[in-house]
Amino acid sequence: AQTVTQSQPEMSVQEAETVTLSCTYDTSESDYYLFWYKQPPSRQMILVIRQEAYKQQNATENRFSVNFQKAAKSFSLKISDSQLGDAAMYFCAYMDSNYQLIWGAGTKLIIKP
Amino acid sequence: DGGITQSPKYLFRKEGQNVTLSCEQNLNHDAMYWYRQDPGQGLRLIYYSQIVNDFQKGDIAEGYSVSREKKESFPLTVTSAQKNPTAFYLCASPGQGKPFGPGTRLLVL
Repeated sequence: AQTVTQSQPEMSVQEAETVTLSCTYDTSESDYYLFWYKQPPSRQMILVIRQEAYKQQNATENRFSVNFQKAAKSFSLKISDSQLGDAAMYFCAYMDSNYQLIWGAGTKLIIKP
Repeated sequence: DGGITQSPKYLFRKEGQNVTLSCEQNLNHDAMYWYRQDPGQGLRLIYYSQIVNDFQKGDIAEGYSVSREKKESFPLTVTSAQKNPTAFYLCASPGQGKPFGPGTRLLVL
């Protein structure tokens, strides 16, 4: 069965610095998608970044980028130039070709001013 | 604009009462999911449906029921058997577009 593991329950970073959130997953599938979602106190789930497994190039969205290591089944999120508004819970998720979603337990990101 | 709507935003339940949370999508997606989230915790899967007239139990289905009579709709009923229903409930339908609804916060009176 597929699993997603976020080993860091909480991370903190100084404003303007860079932080990396880790995510590992387990699957026997070759075709799947990986996501990072942000959940601020409003509880709304906001898509941060999406990666298709068949793409070797790491996805990037402004200050957010991923390090996708398919062989190692690793999908870490790097946030550059951290801002106070980045403070939130971050969830890593896996989706297979049947749209079945598997979620990590989340990482709480604290931004220190 | 395609998307997922959930209603109501807040719902209050009395002891022994069943309540139903609505989830509607106009994305033409087959799969729909219900998650429960407790404060400071991750998402736990209640039920999911991959196709109309079919649904499967997730990790915490006890005390909940669902139906999937239409592709667009996947309502969740929190029954009186669910002894601790206070939580935030998220509906999702993955695929193209934003996959999450805004959520419903259920409180017990």
